[in-house]
Amino acid sequence: DQQVKQNSPSLSVQEGRISILNCDYTNSMFDYFLWYKKYPAEGPTFLISISSIKDKNEDGRFTVFLNKSAKHLSLHIVPSQPGDSAVYFCAASVITGGFKTIFGAGTRLFVKA
Amino acid sequence: NAGVTQTPKFRVLKTGQSMTLLCAQDMNHEYMYWYRQDPGMGLRLIHYSVGEGTTAKGEVPDGYNVSRLKKQNFLLGLESAAPSQTSVYFCASSTRTGVYNEQFFGPGTRLTVL
Repeated sequence: DQQVKQNSPSLSVQEGRISILNCDYTNSMFDYFLWYKKYPAEGPTFLISISSIKDKNEDGRFTVFLNKSAKHLSLHIVPSQPGDSAVYFCAASVITGGFKTIFGAGTRLFVKA
Repeated sequence: NAGVTQTPKFRVLKTGQSMTLLCAQDMNHEYMYWYRQDPGMGLRLIHYSVGEGTTAKGEVPDGYNVSRLKKQNFLLGLESAAPSQTSVYFCASSTRTGVYNEQFFGPGTRLTVL
């Protein structure tokens, strides 16, 4: 039973346009969410995070939105650049719950020049 | 500052063979983790450690053992490899206050068990 789901295995976007990556979760206890970015032959690197007390967090071209009632979060990349082509993992954790960070299966983003 | 390094990068084993994957970090992080990544499954936690000399089971610990004799190193062992353990293994580390914050990952070890 996957607690964190990324239902789109891949996404293709034109350079300069907006990329929207989606993530759904089932466990209402999750209160902290993270996005990681992974290039081939490298480990994931942290991109952006959001606490459940917020509904939006922005860092440059990257914005994460959280809809707690829908148990849904999304990552927006504006404008998309070819260097953004990578696999993006959504992750969720419980702040007081120890070390359980649950990762989604990832979405592969292709940004076409 | 190398961050998190993993040795080896690639390995092919035959069923029943044993091996140890080494993870090292130079960030003085308290916490270290071992994950495996399989297609369509995301990253799943195998074992983790909250400090030197302590280890605990994660989500998928069966068939693996770990040791953290030094703060900077976290070893993952496979005593008798099985084809189901074919995967990409990632080590990660984080600060004491970073339980829910970012983890720093190594480049991964691709293991194939024939």
